[in-house]
Amino acid sequence: DTEVTQTPKHLVMGMTNKKSLKCEQHMGHRAMYWYKQKAKKPPELMFVYSYEKLSINESVPSRFSPECPNSSLLNLHLHALQPEDSALYLCASSQSTGLRIVQYFGPGTRLTVT
Amino acid sequence: EDQVTQSPEALRLQEGESSSLNCSYTVSGLRGLFWYRQDPGKGPEFLFTLYSAGEEKEKERLKATLTKKESFLHITAPKPEDSATYLCAVQLNRDDKIIFGKGTRLHILP
Repeated sequence: DTEVTQTPKHLVMGMTNKKSLKCEQHMGHRAMYWYKQKAKKPPELMFVYSYEKLSINESVPSRFSPECPNSSLLNLHLHALQPEDSALYLCASSQSTGLRIVQYFGPGTRLTVT
Repeated sequence: EDQVTQSPEALRLQEGESSSLNCSYTVSGLRGLFWYRQDPGKGPEFLFTLYSAGEEKEKERLKATLTKKESFLHITAPKPEDSATYLCAVQLNRDDKIIFGKGTRLHILP
């Protein structure tokens, strides 16, 4: 099983709302990622968790707040977003085993901020 | 500065017309180079990881190769269903960060 699941698939929220994106993987991967992707652009790294600890924050605004409750789950809490934050939000997980590295992505959450 | 550059930005081929996509990288300490396929509105689909110069991997009509400075994704006798954006990314030795190129949009005409 190489599946990373994300919920919800679509989310529309106002600028004063608080919402959360969820990501789950059961592959035992130690690293989990949040990416933001705009149309016709590559994924843009936001956060990396390694062994449930935040290891990389790419200077993301504080209106995005990540959380890793356990090794299988990753959340992204959203508050006071701007219309320019509308994008596809992708979760990924990766594992390095000896010389083998894999990274699998979820299907994404399409976020629209109104 | 660590950098990944893909070319061309876009490529239109006739069905059956083989070609190659390029990914050149300038990084300090390569741990692995990834190729992904992405369809519009979906998450990237993992294709290959390459680790060292001279390595090759194949999947159906796709073959990826790696040198010390670049990787090629060869597409043999493509079909319309191979139309997608192909992304190249690198992971460095120093941390879990993965750096993406801008992708190549491939369109196969029937």
